[in-house]
Amino acid sequence: EPEVTQTPSHQVTQMGQEVILRCVPISNHLYFYWYRQILGQKVEFLVSFYNNEISEKSEIFDDQFSVERPDGSNFTLKIRSTKLEDSAMYFCASSETGAIRNGYTFGSGTRLTVV
Amino acid sequence: TQLLEQSPQFLSIQEGENLTVYCNSSSVFSSLQWYRQEPGEGPVLLVTVVTGGEVKKLKRLTFQFGDARKDSSLHITAAQPGDTGLYLCAGGSNYQLIWGAGTKLIIKP
Repeated sequence: EPEVTQTPSHQVTQMGQEVILRCVPISNHLYFYWYRQILGQKVEFLVSFYNNEISEKSEIFDDQFSVERPDGSNFTLKIRSTKLEDSAMYFCASSETGAIRNGYTFGSGTRLTVV
Repeated sequence: TQLLEQSPQFLSIQEGENLTVYCNSSSVFSSLQWYRQEPGEGPVLLVTVVTGGEVKKLKRLTFQFGDARKDSSLHITAAQPGDTGLYLCAGGSNYQLIWGAGTKLIIKP
């Protein structure tokens, strides 16, 4: 069954450093998403991406965050200057149609720890 | 602000018992999804309900969407240890999913 692949599975970084989280969505999917889950809290929407541009973003997705599809397969989330409160599980998801009712396929996540 | 409240937060029962977990909101959602999440993994979609009053069955799991599309339930019949996991509901709202905090379910053999 097609999967969304995320790397690395775990990233430890010092506060103030830049990190790039990588995702390979399902090949025929056109809509891509990043969600995050702080330990013990609910999953939160960060950003949606379609046709090489951001479709929607949440208040969490401030100027420190950016997304990119550098080639035909990867979808990346960059945090420019990490803060302690950025520590969370970051999930990438993709969708063929973009319709929420059809559901998303999530990757296994990247656990980001900022120290 | 749209919120989804799941109850109970934690449920531990014996194999073979039946159970129901709930997902409630004061807001109307265009669709409601149930996911299951294992430790260290991403959520895996179980079902999407769209129409008020809709009932969907997935083997021993029965999902219902409330008539007003504000709440949903998940009923498991004859629970098995393999059903152990975190069950999350998520409501479709415009461009994003609004998530509940989850029900952690443990089925003891």
